[in-house]
Amino acid sequence: NAGVTQTPKFQVLKTGQSMTLQCAQDMNHEYMSWYRQDPGMGLRLIHYSVGAGITDQGEVPNGYNVSRSTTEDFPLRLLSAAPSQTSVYFCASSTRGGANQPQHFGDGTRLSIL
Amino acid sequence: AQSVTQLDSQVPVFEEAPVELRCNYSSSVSVYLFWYVQYPNQGLQLLLKYLSGSTLVKGINGFEAEFNKSQTSFHLRKPSVHISDTAEYFCAVSDRGNYGQNFVFGPGTRLSVLP
Repeated sequence: NAGVTQTPKFQVLKTGQSMTLQCAQDMNHEYMSWYRQDPGMGLRLIHYSVGAGITDQGEVPNGYNVSRSTTEDFPLRLLSAAPSQTSVYFCASSTRGGANQPQHFGDGTRLSIL
Repeated sequence: AQSVTQLDSQVPVFEEAPVELRCNYSSSVSVYLFWYVQYPNQGLQLLLKYLSGSTLVKGINGFEAEFNKSQTSFHLRKPSVHISDTAEYFCAVSDRGNYGQNFVFGPGTRLSVLP
C-alpha cells in the first residue's frame, strides 16, 4: 500500500529555474494539499484541492501553481524558483468528510534554491 | 483565524521519564484536534485525534492526550519515553469550515530522549 508518494525526494535548483514536484495517492482520496515546512513555523498550506478540477489557495500561494486533472495526482509547479522557496514540501491527502478527517502525508521533497 | 501554540520548541528528557508536550489553540468553536509525529527525513504520521466524546484520547506508541475545552488545550503525554520517541511533534486543529481553509498546524516541539 503506497499511500502518498512524492517525487523527487531531493532537488537543487538555480534561481529562476522551474520545476514540478509530483504527488500521487492511491487511496482514492478526494482532498489533497501541499504544505511547506520551515524551521519554527510548522507546516503552512500552499494550495489545496477538494476534487479533480477544483483547486484553491492556502496561506502562502505566491510563486506556486497547481492543477488537479485526476483524483490521484496533484503536482506543484514552481515557475521561477527563488531562494525563499528553499524548504521541505509535503503533499497530503484525506477522504471527503471535512475537517474531522486526518491527513495522510508523503515523505516530503527537500528543495534547495541557490 | 485559527492559531495553534506549542510553547516548547525543544524538550529534552531522560529515557523512561514521563513527558508532556503542550498545545493550545485559539478557536472557541467546536474543533477537531490532532497530534502528528515526524521522524527524521520522513513525513508526518498521525499519533491520535480528538473528534468528540471522551476527553482523554489514546494513540499509538503509548501516547495519550487530554482535551480541555475551558483551557483550549490538547496536551500530549507519555508516562515513560523511549529513545525511539525522539522526533518532532506537531499539534493541529481543524474546525467545521471548508477543507483546506481551517486545518492549522503548530510550530512543532522537538522531543529529544536522552540515554
